[in-house]
Amino acid sequence: NAGVTQTPKFQVLKTGQSMTLQCAQDMNHEYMSWYRQDPGMGLRLIHYSVGAGITDQGEVPNGYNVSRSTTEDFPLRLLSAAPSQTSVYFCASEDRGLGELFFGEGSRLTVL
Amino acid sequence: AQSVTQPDIHITVSEGASLELRCNYSYGATPYLFWYVQSPGQGLQLLLKYFSGDTLVQGIKGFEAEFKRSQSSFNLRKPSVHWSDAAEYFCAVGAGSNYQLIWGAGTKLIIKP
Repeated sequence: NAGVTQTPKFQVLKTGQSMTLQCAQDMNHEYMSWYRQDPGMGLRLIHYSVGAGITDQGEVPNGYNVSRSTTEDFPLRLLSAAPSQTSVYFCASEDRGLGELFFGEGSRLTVL
Repeated sequence: AQSVTQPDIHITVSEGASLELRCNYSYGATPYLFWYVQSPGQGLQLLLKYFSGDTLVQGIKGFEAEFKRSQSSFNLRKPSVHWSDAAEYFCAVGAGSNYQLIWGAGTKLIIKP
C-alpha cells in the first residue's frame, strides 16, 4: 500500500526561487492537508482541502499556494522562497474528517 | 481558544520501565483527542484516539490513554517500554466537525538501555 506519497524528500532552494512539493494519496480520501513542522512548535496547518476543487487556509498560509484538481493530488507551491520557510513539510489525508490522519514521510526544505 | 500543552519536552525512561506522557488541553466541550507517534525521519502515525464512551482507550504498540474531563487531560501510558518506542509523541485535539487538529509541541522519548 502506497498510502500518502510526498516528493521530493529533500530540497535546497535559494531565496526567491519557487518550487512545488508534490503529494499524492491512493486511499480515495476526501480530506487532505499540508503541515509544517518546526522544532518545539508541533505541527502547524498551512492549507487544507475537503475535496476536489475546494481548498482553504490554515494557520500559516502566507507564502504558499495549493490546488486540488483531483481527489488524489494536493500540491503545495512556494511562490518566492524565504529562509523562514525552512522546515519539514508533511502532507496528510483523512477519511471522514475526524482527525485520523495518514501522513507522508515528509519533505525537508532548506532555503538559503 | 483551543490549545494543547505537553509539559515535557524530553523524557528519559529505562527500557522495561513504565511510561506516562502528559497532555492537557483547553476546550469548552468534549473534544476529539489523539496521540500520534513520529519515529526518526518518518511521518506521524496514529497511536490511539478518543471520541466518546469509555475514557480508557487502547491503541497500537501496547499504548493506552485515559481521558479525564475534570483535569482536561489525556495522558498516554505504557506499562513497559521497549527501545523501539524511542520517538517523538504528539497529542492533538479536534473539535466537533472541525477536522483541523490543534497540536501539542511534542514530547521526545529517550530510552536508556
